[in-house]
Amino acid sequence: GDSVTQMEGPVTLSEEAFLTINCTYTATGYPSLFWYVQYPGEGLQLLLKATKADDKGSNKGFEATYRKETTSFHLEKGSVQVSDSAVYFCALSDNDYKLSFGAGTTVTVRA
Amino acid sequence: DTAVSQTPKYLVTQMGNDKSIKCEQNLGHDTMYWYKQDSKKFLKIMFSYNNKELIINETVPNRFSPKSPDKAHLNLHINSLELGDSAVYFCASSLWTSTYEQYFGPGTRLTVT
Repeated sequence: GDSVTQMEGPVTLSEEAFLTINCTYTATGYPSLFWYVQYPGEGLQLLLKATKADDKGSNKGFEATYRKETTSFHLEKGSVQVSDSAVYFCALSDNDYKLSFGAGTTVTVRA
Repeated sequence: DTAVSQTPKYLVTQMGNDKSIKCEQNLGHDTMYWYKQDSKKFLKIMFSYNNKELIINETVPNRFSPKSPDKAHLNLHINSLELGDSAVYFCASSLWTSTYEQYFGPGTRLTVT
């Protein structure tokens, strides 16, 4: 079945540091890939998406590129802020009307 | 205006009790979901409804029963609560044509003592 594996946290960074969260997937078809973010005390929000190979999703300074050859969708941000502290979830949808989420990576950014 | 709302936000109850969580969305979506998030933040889908019809029913104990009175509401009733039911329950909604873009409610933290 479809699955998503993302790097384990927690990740602690200083402000303005570079952030990378690794995500790889297993799917039988050609899935769409997503990053969701959960800020403290809130529900998840869609951060960015990519629907086909080589697509790059971007939002709020975050980027991720759909790499079919390595089945990966790593999330990056060049300069994090304290407000980026959250739990980040990689997810995929393989046209089965549901999302499959990774385990989540907790990111803490210190001033 | 709140897009996806859930009540209550916190629910503390004893083992064996029956409780309900309510969810409403005002986004005009036709598909709604219930997720369970455990203490390690792992998120698992429980149910999905499209136009009041059950679409996804993952391996969930029969003690959990969703009900969708209309497209804008999806409630979750839990019978005979157990300690292991303690978690945060999230409601979400989307359009059927873009089920990947889901809008989540703020969650209901259920604690069973």
